[in-house]
Amino acid sequence: DAKTTQPPSMDCAEGRAANLPCNHSTISGNEYVYWYRQIHSQGPQYIIHGLKNNETNEMASLIITEDRKSSTLILPHATLRDTAVYYCIGLYRTASKLTFGTGTRLQVTL
Amino acid sequence: KAGVTQTPRYLIKTRGQQVTLSCSPISGHRSVSWYQQTPGQGLQFLFEYFSETQRNKGNFPGRFSGRQFSNSRSEMNVSTLELGDSALYLCASSRQGDHEQYFGPGTRLTVT
Repeated sequence: DAKTTQPPSMDCAEGRAANLPCNHSTISGNEYVYWYRQIHSQGPQYIIHGLKNNETNEMASLIITEDRKSSTLILPHATLRDTAVYYCIGLYRTASKLTFGTGTRLQVTL
Repeated sequence: KAGVTQTPRYLIKTRGQQVTLSCSPISGHRSVSWYQQTPGQGLQFLFEYFSETQRNKGNFPGRFSGRQFSNSRSEMNVSTLELGDSALYLCASSRQGDHEQYFGPGTRLTVT
């Protein structure tokens, strides 16, 4: 599985876009980029995943660079409920063993 | 539909005892994975079961074991508990071929 690097913490004002970066320079061609988040004391929650193309769902957008060495998770209008630890994970399509790093602690403030 | 359920939610045990935790996956999900979360080591993969067979195993001692039943429900067992086993134990389920894993709320185990 690819090693990922994320900033330990970020702040974002409520209503603004939160852009969370992830470096995955060792990712292989068959590995997807997954994003999960964990709100305090709850189980992690799947957000989005992508391989090469940018992806968007009801929760977020995922922008993957052309060389696939990094990606950015975008929460378009952050709310206080988005305060959580966000994990970026590189994983093969058929694998289910998630390897969580230390993630980015996003604090959304008024 | 109902989410992943884990029982019990909280548990206190003493060193040397053993413990069994239970996980009921989402209906139709046949893959169940277990994770341990501690402040020092973060979220770590324990093992994965699919159709009653262990498919993947993390780097944990043999005191940690699990099993899956024919209805996809899973249990994990920790024998000879140590203080360091105090953690939040999370279970996740998924459908074969799906990208998403759905996590339960976890069982918080405290070993005294």
